[in-house]
Amino acid sequence: GENVEQHPSTLSVQEGDSAVIKCTYSDSASNYFPWYKQELGKRPQLIIDIRSNVGEKKDQRIAVTLNKTAKHFSLHITETQPEDSAVYFCAASRKNSGGSNYKLTFGKGTLLTVNP
Amino acid sequence: SAVISQKPSRDICQRGTSLTIQCQVDSQVTMMFWYRQQPGQSLTLIATANQGSEATYESGFVIDKFPISRPNLTFSTLTVSNMSPEDSSIYLCSVEGGPTGFTEAFFGQGTRLTVV
Repeated sequence: GENVEQHPSTLSVQEGDSAVIKCTYSDSASNYFPWYKQELGKRPQLIIDIRSNVGEKKDQRIAVTLNKTAKHFSLHITETQPEDSAVYFCAASRKNSGGSNYKLTFGKGTLLTVNP
Repeated sequence: SAVISQKPSRDICQRGTSLTIQCQVDSQVTMMFWYRQQPGQSLTLIATANQGSEATYESGFVIDKFPISRPNLTFSTLTVSNMSPEDSSIYLCSVEGGPTGFTEAFFGQGTRLTVV
C-alpha cells in the first residue's frame, strides 16, 4: 500500500518568513495530493491540493509543488503569520476517472509555529 | 462543499461498554470514511463505509470491534465495541464526492472518546 513520509515533524519560523514542508510517497499510481491544516481541537481542513498532471499550484500565500519522477511534493507558505500556526498534514491517494478518491494516506504531520 | 454533523462531540465511557458515533451530511455523498486520530498523531483510516453493503476495513481493524453502518448516502455510524482505555482517541468521519461535484475530502468535527 501507499506510504507517505513527511518532514520536518516540527518547524518554527519568525513571522514574515517562509515555511516549507516536504512529503514523499511510495505508490507511483497516486495522482492526488491534498494538504490539510488542523488547528488545536479542530477538524482537518483542506488548504490546497494538486493533481499529478500539474507541477505547481498557488493560492495566495500557499503553494504546492509536485515532482512525480522523484515522488515528492512540498507545501510552501510565504509571509507567514501567527494564525498559520497549526499542524499540517500531507496526504496521497488515487482518484478514479469519476473523480472519487481511493483512500487517503496521511503523513505524520508537521507542527508549524510562527513566532510574532 | 459539505456540512457534516458528527455526534457526540465527546464522551467518557466505562471500559467494556460500546459507543455509537453518528455522521450526518447535508447532501448525498459518494464516499464516507472513518478515521482514528490518537493524541498528537496522524489520521489512520479505520474503514470505508459502503452504502448498502459491508464496510471495507483496513489492516488492524475488524468488524467485530468497529461495526459500521451506512443505510443511505447521507448517514453513517461507527460503533466502538467492548471499549478499553486503548480506544481513547478522536474519531472522525470524512466524506467526499457528490452531485455538486466536489472531489476533496471534508471532515466532521470529530468525537473525542475517553475510556476509563
